[in-house]
Amino acid sequence: DVKVTQSSRYLVKRTGEKVFLECVQDMDHENMFWYRQDPGLGLRLIYFSYDVKMKEKGDIPEGYSVSREKKERFSLILESASTNQTSMYLCASSLVGSTQYFGPGTRLTVL
Amino acid sequence: GIQVEQSPPDLILQEGANSTLRCNFSDSVNNLQWFHQNPWGQLINLFYIPSGTKQNGRLSATTVATERYSLLYISSSQTTDSGVYFCAVSGTYKYIFGTGTRLKVLA
Repeated sequence: DVKVTQSSRYLVKRTGEKVFLECVQDMDHENMFWYRQDPGLGLRLIYFSYDVKMKEKGDIPEGYSVSREKKERFSLILESASTNQTSMYLCASSLVGSTQYFGPGTRLTVL
Repeated sequence: GIQVEQSPPDLILQEGANSTLRCNFSDSVNNLQWFHQNPWGQLINLFYIPSGTKQNGRLSATTVATERYSLLYISSSQTTDSGVYFCAVSGTYKYIFGTGTRLKVLA
């Protein structure tokens, strides 16, 4: 079974803090994705990566950066957290042109 | 970019009833998935179905790529089917999600 894990289920941070969200997959997938999910807005793509050290902006990259130093790990970084980044963050991975598998999500609250 | 519309937005069923959820998309796609998001927020993959028909137990899905729609059928619904059902499509890497159908199954 494919397993995608995320470092925290719940996280509370203060405005201005640097925040790291980690995602690890164990199926040697090339593609990895970060989404945020907000009520009424559905899932929106922040960034994705199709290979180690490769990244592409999604629909809402502003205020975020990513890092993929190893194939199995994709990190989302909030350089200076703001209250409008309070959200559910979901990581996914897939082979090229195939099924996406999601992690359990991280519910981030920025105070 | 590709637009994805799901209908109906909300659905309430009695246990045992059948339902059909629809996903329309505005352009040709190479990938299409159906997901179920459970009450804890976990997105569970139901089908990867860019074309054709698949079945898995009480659930089945059909995608007619030439007409740009996909249908998810739930038969003999159970309370555990409650949650939000999402359709997601992509041309290459980037998936676009619909806003979902919120299903509530009453005992």
